[in-house]
Amino acid sequence: LAKTTQPISMDSYEGQEVNITCSHNNIATNDYITWYQQFPSQGPRFIIQGYKTKVTNEVASLFIPADRKSSTLSLPRVSLSDTAVYYCLVLASGAGSYQLTFGKGTKLSVIP
Amino acid sequence: EAGVAQSPRYKIIEKRQSVAFWCNPISGHATLYWYQQILGQGPKLLIQFQNNGVVDDSQLPKDRFSAERLKGVDSTLKIQPAKLEDSAVYLCASSPEGLASTDTQYFGPGTRLTVL
Repeated sequence: LAKTTQPISMDSYEGQEVNITCSHNNIATNDYITWYQQFPSQGPRFIIQGYKTKVTNEVASLFIPADRKSSTLSLPRVSLSDTAVYYCLVLASGAGSYQLTFGKGTKLSVIP
Repeated sequence: EAGVAQSPRYKIIEKRQSVAFWCNPISGHATLYWYQQILGQGPKLLIQFQNNGVVDDSQLPKDRFSAERLKGVDSTLKIQPAKLEDSAVYLCASSPEGLASTDTQYFGPGTRLTVL
């Protein structure tokens, strides 16, 4: 089972770019990496998902190096509303089944 | 499109009592998940259903927890008897397919359980 490691917390000023890295040393060759955002008293919400290199959508980018042992979520020009906990999730698949494991999450605090 | 519905939103019980949570997934979603999220931690998968069959329940404490998904739609999660360490938020999520690694999960608001 692939485990994930993330920084516990990060602070950033409004308008800055924020990069949150997740380590997943034992990711299998066919795992995807998914990032979720969670606000207090809400369930997690999908942000972005990738397999390799770079993925970009309207809210974030995801960078995955060639060895795929880590991934970096990049949030451009954060605002106060981006204050939340961010989780990376590795889907460990094999033999037709897989187990989903969230990390402990990174609490991002955006400062005015 | 309606999201994942859960009830109740909050529940307080005494230890050794029983409790049940209900989840209604997004219409048409084949896969349903139950997670336990203890304060300050990430969600922990308890059980995953594909339609009304169990895909993974390896982390479900089967001596006290049970779950069912009748007719492949709604689901209930039960704890009997509850322990103090069961205090957590119980999240339900659904996804269109679930077996594909690219499937996005849609989460409900959760049920916050406090065991006294």
